[in-house]
Amino acid sequence: QSVLMQPPAVSGAPGQRVTISCTGSSSNIGAGYDVHWYQQLPGTAPKLLMYGNYNRPSGVPDRFSGSKSGTSASLAITGLQAEDEADYYCQSYDSSLSGSVFGGGTKLTVL
Amino acid sequence: EVQLVQSGAEVKKPGESLKISCKGSGYSFTSYWIGWVRQMPGKGLEWMGIIYPRDSDTRYSPSFQGQVTISADKSISTAYLQWSSLKASDTAMYYCARQSSTTRPFDYWGQGTLVTVSS
Repeated sequence: QSVLMQPPAVSGAPGQRVTISCTGSSSNIGAGYDVHWYQQLPGTAPKLLMYGNYNRPSGVPDRFSGSKSGTSASLAITGLQAEDEADYYCQSYDSSLSGSVFGGGTKLTVL
Repeated sequence: EVQLVQSGAEVKKPGESLKISCKGSGYSFTSYWIGWVRQMPGKGLEWMGIIYPRDSDTRYSPSFQGQVTISADKSISTAYLQWSSLKASDTAMYYCARQSSTTRPFDYWGQGTLVTVSS
């Protein structure tokens, strides 16, 4: 059971919009700690996709956006493309664990 | 160019010891934390712990405290993850990754080291 909860899977057709939620608690997201998102393509290391809730690293398309409210955060992907098919993980800091925590991951399938 | 290069895949027997490495380059190694992340086959990412190479300040996830040891040698810009007695359940991919502070993102990742423990 992960400290941050994500849906196991989401799917969408090319061109559509999907969102992935990340639900935490008062010791992590709700305490004001930033949420970061990673994309893991099959057989590769995770790659930073979004940091500080809604900031995109250089090179990440603006089809990806992030938001945070209360004890939850979301990653939205618009204009879905086949290359977006991957696993997505949220991550934050947890004060009760004194360290980082990850969500369980969400597998995105592009239909 | 920032790079984290990890040591190669390992195949070990239960009860054996192991130390894997993560060498940083292209940045000031002592100015960033290095974290270790486990990914068991077909599963998600798990934070194991982190080390600040400048002073070797080390933090562990409660799930991994006492199970592994994280260390670093700043003279050669290398962080380590070690086991004294491996179990079959330690079979996983292990990633190292860089953080500027404990609440910031892991902005660069190593390529991963696959550890297989089997009799």
